Amino acid sequence: DTEVTQTPKHLVMGMTNKKSLKCEQHMGHRAMYWYKQKAKKPPELMFVYSYEKLSINESVPSRFSPECPNSSLLNLHLHALQPEDSALYLCASSQVTGKSLGDEQYFGPGTRLTVT
Amino acid sequence: GQNIDQPTEMTATEGAIVQINCTYQTSGFNGLFWYQQHAGEAPTFLSYNVLDGLEEKGRFSSFLSRSKGYSYLLLKELQMKDSASYLCAVSGTYKYIFGTGTRLKVLA
Repeated sequence: DTEVTQTPKHLVMGMTNKKSLKCEQHMGHRAMYWYKQKAKKPPELMFVYSYEKLSINESVPSRFSPECPNSSLLNLHLHALQPEDSALYLCASSQVTGKSLGDEQYFGPGTRLTVT
Repeated sequence: GQNIDQPTEMTATEGAIVQINCTYQTSGFNGLFWYQQHAGEAPTFLSYNVLDGLEEKGRFSSFLSRSKGYSYLLLKELQMKDSASYLCAVSGTYKYIFGTGTRLKVLA
């Protein structure tokens, strides 16, 4: 299995809602990532989990809350989002070899989020 | 700080060869990656360089010069399906940054 899956594919939520994005991989990868991508822009790294521990938080607002319940699953909990948070949210996974962030990443198809 | 530059757009003809350049500045260096992203889809990994030189993978090759902060992706025997954005990404100390991407259009 060389696939990273993400649910839902599309999500529309109001600014007062609470929702969660889910990501799953069964490649035995021990690093998982959340990215945000706006239209015609490159992905921006948000969070990195290594061995189920948060290793990088790129100064993301607290209305985004990541969670890694086990080595195969990664969640992103959303609360009180703003319209400017509308974007494609990508999950990725990779092996963990010697160098930090030094492995190719495999991306899921993303969740297209619209905040109204 | 960290900075990555790529040309915004390139156009080439089916069957031709195209070279997409990437220059970077980074704190620490753990590798340079190239990804392909079709419109509306997720990036897919193409190649990885951590040492100077050329890495070849079928129709795709990638070159790295660490002293010059420079890489290129070479695509040979271009096909229509190669029309996509090509993203250069650099792994530094606790940083993983994508360049803005190069939109490649392959014409018949």
